[in-house]
Amino acid sequence: SYELTQPPSVSVSPGQTASITCSGDKLGDQFTCWYQQKPGQSPLLVIYQDTKRPSGIPERFSGSNSGNTATLTISGAQALDEADYYCQAWDSSTYVVFGGGTKLTVL
Amino acid sequence: EVQLVESGGGLVQPGGSLRLSCAASGFTYSSYEMNWVRQAPGKGLEWVSYISGSGSTIYYADSVKGRFTISRDNARNSLYLQMNGLRAEDTAVYYCARASGSSSSDFDYWGQGTLVTVSS
Repeated sequence: SYELTQPPSVSVSPGQTASITCSGDKLGDQFTCWYQQKPGQSPLLVIYQDTKRPSGIPERFSGSNSGNTATLTISGAQALDEADYYCQAWDSSTYVVFGGGTKLTVL
Repeated sequence: EVQLVESGGGLVQPGGSLRLSCAASGFTYSSYEMNWVRQAPGKGLEWVSYISGSGSTIYYADSVKGRFTISRDNARNSLYLQMNGLRAEDTAVYYCARASGSSSSDFDYWGQGTLVTVSS
């Protein structure tokens, strides 16, 4: 079955840039999206089709996808960006697959 | 405004059954693919099942195949998940999520979730 691998945790200082990676076999050949989930809340789509931001998502959120790795970048991270982040892709055998999630700490 | 509201969760014994519902509003429901996604306490997201807008195409995660059944009623703008043979490992918050309709499989709207607890 297809798997997506994320680092369990990433830390960033306020105002700095945070990068969260998502690795999978030939991941760059398909679209990847990213969700933000804060405690007690439902997931929120922050990046879709590798690089696009839904309406209302701040410009500091950006994405890329090439080779075997997709990356979510948060430029100028703020305390309110502290959350769990999940990547997601589609595979012909597994259908929808999520990464294990990354806890972003802003301190 | 798009809204997805799940209901039907609760406490059930191992081997028991439960039917979850998701009421959709604020969009043309029949035009959108829908999914169920679950999250065990303190764990990550796990996709459970997919259904096309017409209901003609359905997929399941291996972990629930043969036990869970997804369905939809486009006249009632509702999505369902019939869960049979429940196990302790099915304990989770279950979310319904709308597929955005883009060429990717992203989910642009999620419900608030309903908690299913499988325990004796």
